[in-house]
Amino acid sequence: KAGVTQTPRYLIKTRGQQVTLSCSPISGHRSVSWYQQTPGQGLQFLFEYFSETQRNKGNFPGRFSGRQFSNSRSEMNVSTLELGDSALYLCASSFRDRETDTQYFGPGTRLTVL
Amino acid sequence: DAKTTQPNSMESNEEEPVHLPCNHSTISGTDYIHWYRQLPSQGPEYVIHGLTSNVNNRMASLAIAEDRKSSTLILHRATLRDAAVYYCILGGYGGSQGNLIFGKGTKLSVKP
Repeated sequence: KAGVTQTPRYLIKTRGQQVTLSCSPISGHRSVSWYQQTPGQGLQFLFEYFSETQRNKGNFPGRFSGRQFSNSRSEMNVSTLELGDSALYLCASSFRDRETDTQYFGPGTRLTVL
Repeated sequence: DAKTTQPNSMESNEEEPVHLPCNHSTISGTDYIHWYRQLPSQGPEYVIHGLTSNVNNRMASLAIAEDRKSSTLILHRATLRDAAVYYCILGGYGGSQGNLIFGKGTKLSVKP
């Protein structure tokens, strides 16, 4: 079974631009969560989507948004990029219909903001 | 959110057992204990999880204290590939399933 895929793997943008990252979950998984990883803050939860609805949201500004499509694929968008948005963005998928669920992470998208 | 406390780093020799501790004194009755690890330049990967009883799988064992205020991840024979940051995480039940709260984790070094 194919794992979680994220595109692109690397991205360089300049301040003020916007960016869209894509995540394809494992087949059959209906939940997609997004995380930001930086050396200073570690891994932080951004948001989770399940059946095209945002279920949970972390403590990030409104510049960070996401959506999920009917095939469970998800995108996250960051508008008006700041230098501090440089990070590894990880997505994770799971079934989310069990009492407790394992999340499967993708390799991440490395975003550099200049 | 319930918090966990882990040592910043640990060292092990190859082919020896490793015991990675985690304290979680504020754990709630419905919190599962999850362990994930992150190898260099990769996304985190699931290792093991448990609620009250000790658990074993092909990767590791999880020993949970009787009062559930602490747990230990056991790698029976460390290999160089086990060098990673190990995260002990509480939750993953009900509404918090999609939201893992990662701490700093323990960076495990394995010496040949």
